[in-house]
Amino acid sequence: QLQLQESGPGLVKPSETLSLICTVSGDSISSSSYYWGWIRQPPGKGLEWIGNVYYSGSTYYNLSLKSRVTISVDTPKSQFSLRLSSVTAADTAVYYCARHGSSSWLFDDWGQGTLVTVSS
Amino acid sequence: QLVLTQSPSASASLGASVKLTCTLSSGHSSYAIAWHQKQPEKGPRYLMKLNNDGSHIKGDGIPDRFSGSSSGAERHLIISSLQSEDEADYFCQTWGAGTVVFGGGTKLTVL
Repeated sequence: QLQLQESGPGLVKPSETLSLICTVSGDSISSSSYYWGWIRQPPGKGLEWIGNVYYSGSTYYNLSLKSRVTISVDTPKSQFSLRLSSVTAADTAVYYCARHGSSSWLFDDWGQGTLVTVSS
Repeated sequence: QLVLTQSPSASASLGASVKLTCTLSSGHSSYAIAWHQKQPEKGPRYLMKLNNDGSHIKGDGIPDRFSGSSSGAERHLIISSLQSEDEADYFCQTWGAGTVVFGGGTKLTVL
């Protein structure tokens, strides 16, 4: 059974870089059948897609965040990561990692999420 | 532009049925979507993939009480025999042209 687990600092200062890791277990992150993605949910708001990465390193990003986002994959560690630069209070959210198919981009498995607060 | 529209809230009585709707924007009525459930203090849970012909594939362990249907640009999530644990936010999701889109979510209250 696939498990996705987010980890990283729960508090980040404004203007700094938010960094999170998602550890994948129960399936191979190197499978050609899937992409691995990041999604966030600010308090009281809906879900926002941040971007995704393929095992080869190929990425797609939400255009509204593209200038600040980097998503990468580390296949030997079975992890993929998110870096979001120049954060502000508007980046405070619960961040989720998830998996979707390579031909159908519908998320079919999610992590539990981790709250990241941007505050000095 | 690909947009998914959901009503912000819905309510139904314990044991009753409810139909939640997700509407695809003009020109995108053939798109498949996914329904996800978000309970408080939990990560989202994938419920099903719903195609434009109403066929759907549910996630592992999703009860038979959950089903889907389609009509034109509308994608419906039907929950029958409502239980208290069904009180949650329900999001629809689709994709296109290298991007992923979520609906705004419907908060379901079980009375």
